[in-house]
Amino acid sequence: GAGVSQTPSNKVTEKGKYVELRCDPISGHTALYWYRQSLGQGPEFLIYFQGTGAADDSGLPNDRFFAVRPEGSVSTLKIQRTERGDSAVYLCASSNRGGQQAFFGQGTRLTVV
Amino acid sequence: QKEVEQNSGPLSVPEGAIASLNCTYSDRVSQSFFWYRQYSGKSPELIMSIYSNGDKEDGRFTAQLNKASQYVSLLIRDSQPSDSATYLCAVMYSGGGADGLTFGKGTHLIIQP
Repeated sequence: GAGVSQTPSNKVTEKGKYVELRCDPISGHTALYWYRQSLGQGPEFLIYFQGTGAADDSGLPNDRFFAVRPEGSVSTLKIQRTERGDSAVYLCASSNRGGQQAFFGQGTRLTVV
Repeated sequence: QKEVEQNSGPLSVPEGAIASLNCTYSDRVSQSFFWYRQYSGKSPELIMSIYSNGDKEDGRFTAQLNKASQYVSLLIRDSQPSDSATYLCAVMYSGGGADGLTFGKGTHLIIQP
């Protein structure tokens, strides 16, 4: 596609539920990033994929968060047992390789009630 | 601890003047530096990248990098009301398995007509 696509654009879920957020990067981009942004803050790094593998997952806050990219293209961020503190905008970005400029999708606004 | 520091503002600049945005970072081995613009409710948009010491100009924007001082700045000449946004400084930390853009909290810029 022409840009990074994220779905859904908005997600409201109940505390304790499981959610999946999807990111479809720019075609041909090997690097994919997930960030989380709370109101008034800059994006917070969660995980970085180079191809199919997670090159750096040091930003995942705890074991309730997990992400996959099985074919080196689309990625899914999975959050188990959601908590109200997980409410934020989840941003995905891709670049043609690590270290180069990254382009962001429009984000998924997650609200845990 | 890899950190990127920005003054959160708001920074108020009259229309037509030069807006100067500053950023400091903590890791001396960083090689890639980026400025993103983020309008309220939107995702970050890349406006400048810089990789070596000195100035880089693109239209009304100039990025300046001083690696010895661990300092990167963005100048916006002939500021327009449409430049009003939050500007995020981002540093690519690479090596040691810790890749990924680290963002500052952003500077809120207001251009006064």
